[in-house]
Amino acid sequence: NAGVMQNPRHLVRRRGQEARLRCSPMKGHSHVYWYRQLPEEGLKFMVYLQKENIIDESGMPKERFSAEFPKEGPSILRIQQVVRGDSAAYFCASSGGEGTEAFFGQGTRLTVV
Amino acid sequence: AQRVTQPEKLLSVFKGAPVELKCNYSYSGSPELFWYVQYSRQRLQLLLRHISRESIKGFTADLNKGETSFHLKKPFAQEEDSAMYYCALRGIQGAQKLVFGQGTRLTINP
Repeated sequence: NAGVMQNPRHLVRRRGQEARLRCSPMKGHSHVYWYRQLPEEGLKFMVYLQKENIIDESGMPKERFSAEFPKEGPSILRIQQVVRGDSAAYFCASSGGEGTEAFFGQGTRLTVV
Repeated sequence: AQRVTQPEKLLSVFKGAPVELKCNYSYSGSPELFWYVQYSRQRLQLLLRHISRESIKGFTADLNKGETSFHLKKPFAQEEDSAMYYCALRGIQGAQKLVFGQGTRLTINP
């Protein structure tokens, strides 16, 4: 089991471009969580998804950010028209169900120039 | 509001000395508390959860509901304990999200 896989590991985008971050959960896991870590801060919850459903998006910025977890394929966190303030490490975690341990990916470091 | 506070950003101790990483929380209910660790160039991984009441790599943590604390302790620090440590909470019912503290960078000096 390769664990939670995130790609790319590093992503550089110019202001105004779109960023797509991918997360493949552990085999058998159907719950995915996205977190953002700004410099010098802890991880902040963004969104919780199950297959084809957004369960909790209370941490998502109201504009430019969206997430999906389709029936087939990885979960995608999409940031449109990126700004410098979006520069951060984005972590994905997956679990097999409510109350079970969440396993983290290695993160994607987004740099907006 | 759910909040986790780790008052020390940096903590440095000598090898063999006791170490305590502080964590305080606020939550209007019964939370689950966790400690996660991130070693250099590795992913975040679960170290302890209060429900399991076990000792991992010599670390223990006791949930003190009166003081709303979940401090991480180890009696004799080892150099390989140098890492970033995050305290986190999750509600027992309802929301599955983890709320993290800012983290403490622990350095063990030889």
